Amino acid sequence: EPEVTQTPSHQVTQMGQEVILRCVPISNHLYFYWYRQILGQKVEFLVSFYNNEISEKSEIFDDQFSVERPDGSNFTLKIRSTKLEDSAMYFCASRRGHQETQYFGPGTRLLVL
Amino acid sequence: KNEVEQSPQNLTAQEGEFITINCSYSVGISALHWLQQHPGGGIVSLFMLSSGKKKHGRLIATINIQEKHSSLHITASHPRDSAVYICAVTPNFGNEKLTFGTGTRLTIIP
Repeated sequence: EPEVTQTPSHQVTQMGQEVILRCVPISNHLYFYWYRQILGQKVEFLVSFYNNEISEKSEIFDDQFSVERPDGSNFTLKIRSTKLEDSAMYFCASRRGHQETQYFGPGTRLLVL
Repeated sequence: KNEVEQSPQNLTAQEGEFITINCSYSVGISALHWLQQHPGGGIVSLFMLSSGKKKHGRLIATINIQEKHSSLHITASHPRDSAVYICAVTPNFGNEKLTFGTGTRLTIIP
């Protein structure tokens, strides 16, 4: 069964460093999302992406964040200069079409020291 | 902004018991989702519904659009059902981003 994959599963970085989180959505899906979950808190929306552009972003998604779909399969989230408060589990999700189920990747656990 | 509330926050039950988890939301939606999150963190979609009732195995999800309320039921609960169950909603407009509840931590004791 097709699934969303994410790499790496864990990443530890120093404050101020850049990180790139990678996702491979399900191949015939058209809508892509990044969510994050700070430890002990609920999952929060970061950004949605459709037709090679951002369709919506949350207040969290400031200038330090960017997303890209560089090659038609990968979907990346870049954090330019990480802060301690960026430590969280980051989930990628995708869906095929309107009113269809979102499928989640296994997540990347990011720890900023 | 839609507020999604779940109850209870924590639930411990004996194996075999009938489980109910509740979710309410504040603003009209296009769909409500029930998700399962296991200790490793991965999230799996269980149901997406916009009206009525859906059943999958021992899991049943219902929604009342007028009352802005949904329930997730588990019949004949089993220890492997132990997980966090999350309610999430998609709005009537836009890109169908999910707004999540805080989750219900379910523990089934053998």
